Amino acid sequence: GDSVTQMEGPVTLSEEAFLTINCTYTATGYPSLFWYVQYPGEGLQLLLKATKADDKGSNKGFEATYRKETTSFHLEKGSVQVSDSAVYFCASAAGYSSASKIIFGSGTRLSIRP
Amino acid sequence: SQTIHQWPATLVQPVGSPLSLECTVEGTSNPNLYWYRQAAGRGLQLLFYSVGIGQISSEVPQNLSASRPQDRQFILSSKKLLLSDSGFYLCAWSPADRGVQFFGPGTRLTVL
Repeated sequence: GDSVTQMEGPVTLSEEAFLTINCTYTATGYPSLFWYVQYPGEGLQLLLKATKADDKGSNKGFEATYRKETTSFHLEKGSVQVSDSAVYFCASAAGYSSASKIIFGSGTRLSIRP
Repeated sequence: SQTIHQWPATLVQPVGSPLSLECTVEGTSNPNLYWYRQAAGRGLQLLFYSVGIGQISSEVPQNLSASRPQDRQFILSSKKLLLSDSGFYLCAWSPADRGVQFFGPGTRLTVL
């Protein structure tokens, strides 16, 4: 079945460091891909998305490119801030089915040191 | 704009007591609705989803149930809570024709 695999955390970086969180997916079709962020004690917020191959999603300095050839959707940011500390979830949605079920990765906890 | 509400925000319940968590969505019609559970330090587990009033699909066997009495209301229930029901419960909605989901603020349930 479809699945999403992301790098295990926690990831600890210093402020202004470069961030990469790896994410790969398996799917029978051509899913939409997402990154969600969860700040402590809160629900998930959609960070960015891409709906087809070679699309680049971007938001708040974060970027991810839908790579069909490597089935990847790695999250990157050039210079992280303390406020970026959160748990990040990679996810895929198998097209426009009536249920629109999303498959989530296990989450990667990111901590940024001042 | 659309908003999603969950209540209560936190709940502490004894083992064996009943449970009712409520989720409502505003600003949209005929949304798909979802209940997830997030155990401490872990990922999300889809519990139930609904594509319309009275239509509930269960993803995992458990002592929880869900109901959708109105188009924008989704309720998660249990007749008798177990210790293992503790966790962070998240409600989400999506437009019927798109994959992206939008999450509520969550309910933290502690069963003692």
